[in-house]
Amino acid sequence: QKEVEQNSGPLSVPEGAIASLNCTYSDRGSQSFFWYRQYSGKSPELIMFIYSNGDKEDGRFTAQLNKASQYVSLLIRDSQPSDSATYLCALSGGSYIPTFGRGTSLIVHP
Amino acid sequence: SQTIHQWPATLVQPVGSPLSLECTVEGTSNPNLYWYRQAAGRGLQLLFYSVGIGQISSEVPQNLSASRPQDRQFILSSKKLLLSDSGFYLCAWANPGGEQYFGPGTRLTVT
Repeated sequence: QKEVEQNSGPLSVPEGAIASLNCTYSDRGSQSFFWYRQYSGKSPELIMFIYSNGDKEDGRFTAQLNKASQYVSLLIRDSQPSDSATYLCALSGGSYIPTFGRGTSLIVHP
Repeated sequence: SQTIHQWPATLVQPVGSPLSLECTVEGTSNPNLYWYRQAAGRGLQLLFYSVGIGQISSEVPQNLSASRPQDRQFILSSKKLLLSDSGFYLCAWANPGGEQYFGPGTRLTVT
């Protein structure tokens, strides 16, 4: 069974710092990796996806993928209080069914 | 651009009553569609997915059912709600790359 593991947190960082969110997975056949942000009471929103080993940058966000070690991470630079949310890691392996982690709660304090 | 609608936004129903939640997608054809449930403070639980009209796959056996009467319409139903059916119901569509886009959700409280 495919598993995606995330530390539930909360991860607390000061405003302006780098927040590092990590995710490990069990299925070596996983091909696509996604990060979603979910504000309290709202639906998840896709913020990053990555398919190849290495880094992918989009604004203040960087996704990092290491398939050999089976982990994917999300870095948020210059963290803002508005980044406070739960971040969900997800992956798919070519089937129609994605696998989601349970999410890491991030708190950015002023 | 693609948009996804869900309604109602909130719903309070008594135990034993029926349920019908609707989801529609605009701006794309033949999307893969999904129903998820998220209990308070919990992760996403995949309930059903559909790869085409009339094609429904169930991930969790329960008193819920789903139907896809049109290409961009996905309906979640129940004949008799249980207390344990309370939660945040999310509809999503996925593009061929696997990226999922969620609707605004329906918050269901069964009393």
